[in-house]
Amino acid sequence: ETGVTQTPRHLVMGMTNKKSLKCEQHLGHNAMYWYKQSAKKPLELMFVYNFKEQTENNSVPSRFSPECPNSSHLFLHLHTLQPEDSALYLCASSRNLAGVTGELFFGEGSRLTVL
Amino acid sequence: QQQVKQSPQSLIVQKGGISIINCAYENTAFDYFPWYQQFPGKGPALLIAIRPDVSEKKEGRFTISFNKSAKQFSLHIMDSQPGDSATYFCAPGGEDKIIFGKGTRLHILP
Repeated sequence: ETGVTQTPRHLVMGMTNKKSLKCEQHLGHNAMYWYKQSAKKPLELMFVYNFKEQTENNSVPSRFSPECPNSSHLFLHLHTLQPEDSALYLCASSRNLAGVTGELFFGEGSRLTVL
Repeated sequence: QQQVKQSPQSLIVQKGGISIINCAYENTAFDYFPWYQQFPGKGPALLIAIRPDVSEKKEGRFTISFNKSAKQFSLHIMDSQPGDSATYFCAPGGEDKIIFGKGTRLHILP
């Protein structure tokens, strides 16, 4: 069983829908991340949370809204997305902010298709 | 803007051969140099990593070589196997940031 669990694994949504991606980590880590992975830009950092506080928003459009209610859970709320937002969304965690300790633990990702 | 350049973009190696992937970085404050391995349908996973106080680290068939003055590090896969076919990312980090390379798609011919 992976230490980082993402649901759903696959999601198809229309441009007017509202949906959410969920991430849960069972590793006791303090930092959590959302990455976007697409063919054109392999791994793009979107958001970083450290001890539930957002520390980085990498110029992500407001149609993506993150939520971190506690150090174990991270959500990505989606609304009025565009077809170019179709990608694999990866959640990751690390013991502390990754640049200090290095290792990121990734989930298996949520494959999003926007019609 | 911090830059990380990974090469080659794709690589085909015969079974039993040596696979070599390179990563060049600009930020001299980086102090952690990992390689991640990603299989289709899975998230990336740490494969091997090195700190700047050593020039080489070996774990089984996988070796990292680190050249601090050139700001480069590389991944060597000895006796490459079809099961090594995956995408590999370098991701140097420091000062609470990690910067991922664009990835190398490695295919090992059986």
